[in-house]
Amino acid sequence: QQPVQSPQAVILREGEDAVINCSSSKALYSVHWYRQKHGEAPVFLMILLKGGEQKGHEKISASFNEKKQQSSLYLTASQLSYSGTYFCGTETVDRDDKIIFGKGTRLHILP
Amino acid sequence: GAVVSQHPSWVICKSGTSVKIECRSLDFQATTMFWYRQFPKQSLMLMATSNEGSKATYEQGVEKDKFLINHASLTLSTLTVTSAHPEDSSFYICSAYPGPGPGEQYFGPGTRLTVT
Repeated sequence: QQPVQSPQAVILREGEDAVINCSSSKALYSVHWYRQKHGEAPVFLMILLKGGEQKGHEKISASFNEKKQQSSLYLTASQLSYSGTYFCGTETVDRDDKIIFGKGTRLHILP
Repeated sequence: GAVVSQHPSWVICKSGTSVKIECRSLDFQATTMFWYRQFPKQSLMLMATSNEGSKATYEQGVEKDKFLINHASLTLSTLTVTSAHPEDSSFYICSAYPGPGPGEQYFGPGTRLTVT
């Protein structure tokens, strides 16, 4: 079952913050976040495992609420380089190593 | 970081011909490789899971006789699009997973297929 991402698209000015949400109808083992720029392969941002984990790297962080089967990606003080499409990928508790990706959230940062 | 290559980067072929796309993990062994298809401005749709030495597992709706997958070694998986048609035109991306346990999938740069 494909996770649901929201919003579908966001336009920000440089320095503003954004939150991207990802929710699943199935119990999750892990949530993966990737960013893809046009015509390029997705780039790994982070993985969150079962257990209410939170992670961060510079100004990009994420949380995983396993009870609500949701994850959120937080982009603070956005930079022009953050532009792209963000995908969340979910692995269910079946542990089949498959990641099913959401439809993506397009983020455009204006100078 | 780990590197995954794909060959070719892009290919244009005539309708009815077959095209082979290679996915290689260059500096690690991948127990599992995944093949995705991505249409413009859409998500990565998982086509199949490929494990070395065994038959690929296809997602629902993906024709296994049309999209032949071979995982000959721990560093190489191939996807052959047989009797290609214009509707098969898409961006095909592979990812390699070293395992075990949860972790990052390393994506290849993708192959853009155009069928005329």
